[in-house]
Amino acid sequence: TQLLEQSPQFLSIQEGENLTVYCNSSSVFSSLQWYRQEPGEGPVLLVTVVTGGEVKKLKRLTFQFGDARKDSSLHITAAQTGDTGLYLCAGDGSSNTGKLIFGQGTTLQVKP
Amino acid sequence: NAGVTQTPKFRVLKTGQSMTLLCAQDMNHEYMYWYRQDPGMGLRLIHYSVGEGTTAKGEVPDGYNVSRLKKQNFLLGLESAAPSQTSVYFCASSYSKGADTQYFGPGTRLTVL
Repeated sequence: TQLLEQSPQFLSIQEGENLTVYCNSSSVFSSLQWYRQEPGEGPVLLVTVVTGGEVKKLKRLTFQFGDARKDSSLHITAAQTGDTGLYLCAGDGSSNTGKLIFGQGTTLQVKP
Repeated sequence: NAGVTQTPKFRVLKTGQSMTLLCAQDMNHEYMYWYRQDPGMGLRLIHYSVGEGTTAKGEVPDGYNVSRLKKQNFLLGLESAAPSQTSVYFCASSYSKGADTQYFGPGTRLTVL
């Protein structure tokens, strides 16, 4: 059974601080996605990484896929209150089936 | 375009009652999915469909049935609801598999008493 472990599960920081969220597994994934979810809404895709070692940037957010395609990280620079939400990583198994395995999520609270 | 819509948004059931959750998408996507979200557990795949007339089991299929009679609709049924099925249910759709974007609906909050 493929599992994705996210850490930390909860993060509360002040506006302007930097943070990193980790998504780890013992399994290889053909691709990995990061979603952001706000209360009362469904998750929305932020980024997809498919190549080992790949780094993608989305404004103040930097996503990295591990060389072995078993882990990923999300780094936010100078967090803003609008970054508050639940961040979920999701991996597509090595069989490339489209069946996503989700991590348990990281709840981020950015205080003004 | 409405994207992915779910009906109803909220529902309270008594143990043993049945209900159907409806998901509709207007993006002509082949793939559709039903997830449940519980605190501290992320989203878990219940059932999915790779095209009209097809369904397959996901990670936690027990107690649920699904049907995909039309390409744009994916129905999730609970034949005899149990308190363990209290959860928030999300439907999603995607054009293809793998690294393709999954578009999620707003969710249905179900409470089983």
